[in-house]
Amino acid sequence: KNQVEQSPQSLIILEGKNCTLQCNYTVSPFSNLRWYKQDTGRGPVSLTIMTFSENTKSNGRYTATLDADTKQSSLHITASQLSDSASYICVVRANNDMRFGAGTRLTVKP
Amino acid sequence: NAGVTQTPKFRILKIGQSMTLQCTQDMNHNYMYWYRQDPGMGLKLIYYSVGAGITDKGEVPNGYNVSRSTTEDFPLRLELAAPSQTSVYFCASSYDPGQGEGYTFGSGTRLTVV
Repeated sequence: KNQVEQSPQSLIILEGKNCTLQCNYTVSPFSNLRWYKQDTGRGPVSLTIMTFSENTKSNGRYTATLDADTKQSSLHITASQLSDSASYICVVRANNDMRFGAGTRLTVKP
Repeated sequence: NAGVTQTPKFRILKIGQSMTLQCTQDMNHNYMYWYRQDPGMGLKLIYYSVGAGITDKGEVPNGYNVSRSTTEDFPLRLELAAPSQTSVYFCASSYDPGQGEGYTFGSGTRLTVV
């Protein structure tokens, strides 16, 4: 069983709308959590990193939240653009071990 | 600054053939990694290296070999290709993951074994 579960598996939204992607993890001990964006045919690119003491972090239209007690993180995308169409991958680090979620495939339609 | 460069981008192999996936980085990163990404699954670590001359197995090392003779290069070798090795392979590097450094990924190699 994957220790990092993401939902939904896929999502289609209209351009300009907001959306929230979820990441639940059981990885322990927790070091940090990253959200990556992976465009089709490309490698993942880091969006944000969350450490244990951080609840919220923004990067432009992307806002990540972390609840270390419930072991949940979310990535909120505001005013979506066509270029946001990609897979979003949650990666949790425990000591020297990195665990990748399967990703959420987001499609933004005009 | 090229980052992490992987070659080839695509390859079709016959069962039993061998090949080497190339990976090079120009950021002077100590740490390098090979992952495979199967449809609907998270990236799985195949092998990693913490510096030139040092390599170690990840989650799914069977059927693969690596070497790290220089800081820049981290090739992945498939000796006897099997259909189960059909996947997208990503090479990544980082300076110091213990300090929360993110990974820089290459653009991937799509391998099909028929």
